[in-house]
Amino acid sequence: EPEVTQTPSHQVTQMGQEVILRCVPISNHLYFYWYRQILGQKVEFLVSFYNNEISEKSEIFDDQFSVERPDGSNFTLKIRSTKLEDSAMYFCASSDQRVSSRQETQYFGPGTRLLVL
Amino acid sequence: AQSVTQLDSHVSVSEGTPVLLRCNYSSSYSPSLFWYVQHPNKGLQLLLKYTSAATLVKGINGFEAEFKKSETSFHLTKPSAHMSDAAEYFCVVSESGGTSYGKLTFGQGTILTVHP
Repeated sequence: EPEVTQTPSHQVTQMGQEVILRCVPISNHLYFYWYRQILGQKVEFLVSFYNNEISEKSEIFDDQFSVERPDGSNFTLKIRSTKLEDSAMYFCASSDQRVSSRQETQYFGPGTRLLVL
Repeated sequence: AQSVTQLDSHVSVSEGTPVLLRCNYSSSYSPSLFWYVQHPNKGLQLLLKYTSAATLVKGINGFEAEFKKSETSFHLTKPSAHMSDAAEYFCVVSESGGTSYGKLTFGQGTILTVHP
C-alpha cells in the first residue's frame, strides 16, 4: 500500500540554524500539507500546497517557514532560523482530492521529530 | 471556525471490554469528521471518516463512530478491545463550504490503554 514517507525521523539542531524537513507524498496525490505537534499540545495545521502554490497557511507559518516541491516527488518544509519553540513533531500529509468534494482523505507520514537546542 | 474537543485525555479498559472515546465538534459548515490513530513511532493512520452519507460509520479493526448532529458528537466505539488497540486516537474535523479547504483541525488526542 502506498504511503507517505518523511526524512529524517529525528533532527537535532542549534537555535538559529536552518533545517529542511523532507517528505515524499503518495505518487498520484496533488495536495500537500504540513502539520506540527508541540509536545503535549494538539496537532496544528501549518500550510497547504497545490499546483506549486500555497493554498492556505496558518498564523504560525510566518516568514521563517517556506515550502517547496523541488521535483516531482519531494515536498519540503524549510525553517530558516530555528527557534527553541520550533521543537515539535512535524507531519507531512497528502491527498488526491480537495475537501470541497467531501471525499478528501489526507494520508500522513510518520513525522520528523525536531529538537532545537 | 471549526474546533474539536476530545472529552478524555486517557481511557483505560480491559481486553475484551467495550471502548468508548468521546468527541464533540464545532463547525460553521457541513463538516467531514475523521478518527485517526497513532501507534508509538508510527504515522497517523485513518480509522474511519464521515462525509454526510450514513451517520453510522464503520472503520478498520472493528471500530465505528456515529455522527449525531443534534449533539455535535462523533464518538468512537469498539465492542471488544484488543491489546493491539493501545494507541493515541485523534478526532479530526474538516469543513466543507468554508474558506479553509483541506485544513484539518485536531482534537487533543485520547490515549487508550488496554489491560490484559
